[in-house]
Amino acid sequence: GDSVTQMEGPVTLSEEAFLTINCTYTATGYPSLFWYVQYPGEGLQLLLKATKADDKGSNKGFEATYRKETTSFHLEKGSVQVSDSAVYFCALWDDKIIFGKGTRLHILP
Amino acid sequence: DAGVIQSPRHEVTEMGQEVTLRCKPISGHDYLFWYRQTMMRGLELLIYFNNNVPIDDSGMPEDRFSAKMPNASFSTLKIQPSEPRDSAVYFCASTPDSPWGTEAFFGQGTRLTVV
Repeated sequence: GDSVTQMEGPVTLSEEAFLTINCTYTATGYPSLFWYVQYPGEGLQLLLKATKADDKGSNKGFEATYRKETTSFHLEKGSVQVSDSAVYFCALWDDKIIFGKGTRLHILP
Repeated sequence: DAGVIQSPRHEVTEMGQEVTLRCKPISGHDYLFWYRQTMMRGLELLIYFNNNVPIDDSGMPEDRFSAKMPNASFSTLKIQPSEPRDSAVYFCASTPDSPWGTEAFFGQGTRLTVV
């Protein structure tokens, strides 16, 4: 069945560092891909999405490109802030939404 | 719209008791999903509905779990009898119908503790 694999955390970085969180997927169809973010005590919120190959989703300085050839959707940000500390989930939509296990990100001031 | 509303926010119950979690999706959304989140297993899809009809319940862990959606504005997830290993945060999410997939809107979750 469909699945999403993302790098395990926690990931700890200093403020203004470059961020990459890896995500790969397996799917029988041609899924749409998403990154969600979860802040403490809250539900998940959509961060960005891409619906077809080579699309780049972007929001709040975060970017991810839909790579069909490598079945990947890695999340990047050039300069992280303390306020980016959260749990990040990669997800796909085929006929339902499947999430990765999440990556906890700590940003140190 | 107030978003997806879940109740209660916190539930503490004794092992063996029945627990009912409630969800009100966003008006007009066709899909409703129930997820369970734990540190060990991450975010697991339990069941989802399309237009009030259960489509896939393969993620429901065992017969102690059941879910209903009697109308477009209300869904319940019931655990009977509850066990300590059911302790988790349970999320409800809804989305409009879209062939390309669209944003899922999550409630704030119900934190369940079974003692």
